[in-house]
Amino acid sequence: NAGVMQNPRHLVRRRGQEARLRCSPMKGHSHVYWYRQLPEEGLKFMVYLQKENIIDESGMPKERFSAEFPKEGPSILRIQQVVRGDSAAYFCASSPMTGGNYEQYFGPGTRLTVT
Amino acid sequence: ILNVEQSPQSLHVQEGDSTNFTCSFPSSNFYALHWYRWETAKSPEALFVMTLNGDEKKKGRISATLNTKEGYSYLYIKGSQPEDSATYLCAFWASSASKIIFGSGTRLSIRP
Repeated sequence: NAGVMQNPRHLVRRRGQEARLRCSPMKGHSHVYWYRQLPEEGLKFMVYLQKENIIDESGMPKERFSAEFPKEGPSILRIQQVVRGDSAAYFCASSPMTGGNYEQYFGPGTRLTVT
Repeated sequence: ILNVEQSPQSLHVQEGDSTNFTCSFPSSNFYALHWYRWETAKSPEALFVMTLNGDEKKKGRISATLNTKEGYSYLYIKGSQPEDSATYLCAFWASSASKIIFGSGTRLSIRP
């Protein structure tokens, strides 16, 4: 059973470009969480999605950031018009059911560098 | 504002010694507390999911306790080994069950 997969592992974008980060949850998991780790900071919750639904996006910046988890395919975190401050490690995690009663399984992360 | 604090920030322990560290979280709106182990260049790995006041969980030499009334959890490592070197994170789940707040972690280094 493959773990949570994220790609790309490293992404370099120039200011103003778009970044697309993908997350494939573990088989059988329909709940996906995205987290961001800014340099010298801890993990911060961004968004929680189930298939085709955004459940909680309270941690996501209001502008330029969007997330989706379609019926088929991976979850996508999209950052439009990237700025240097978006440089960070982005992790996704999946769980089999909703809520905090279940372990989250983390992917290896995508390190975004904005030049 | 919900705040989760971990102490100490870093810890150096001699191999073979036992150690413990703390995660403090809001005592209201508690839903669950997770502990993770995060090694450098890897991704966080779940250690424990704790939901009930008084919970005690154990995995090998690592154990954790939970006090939701006073808002703290302890993680214990018995007989530290070099492979225990990692950052240990706790994550507080508020009662909405989708509001997750991570502590900044305790960085543990084991001296051989």
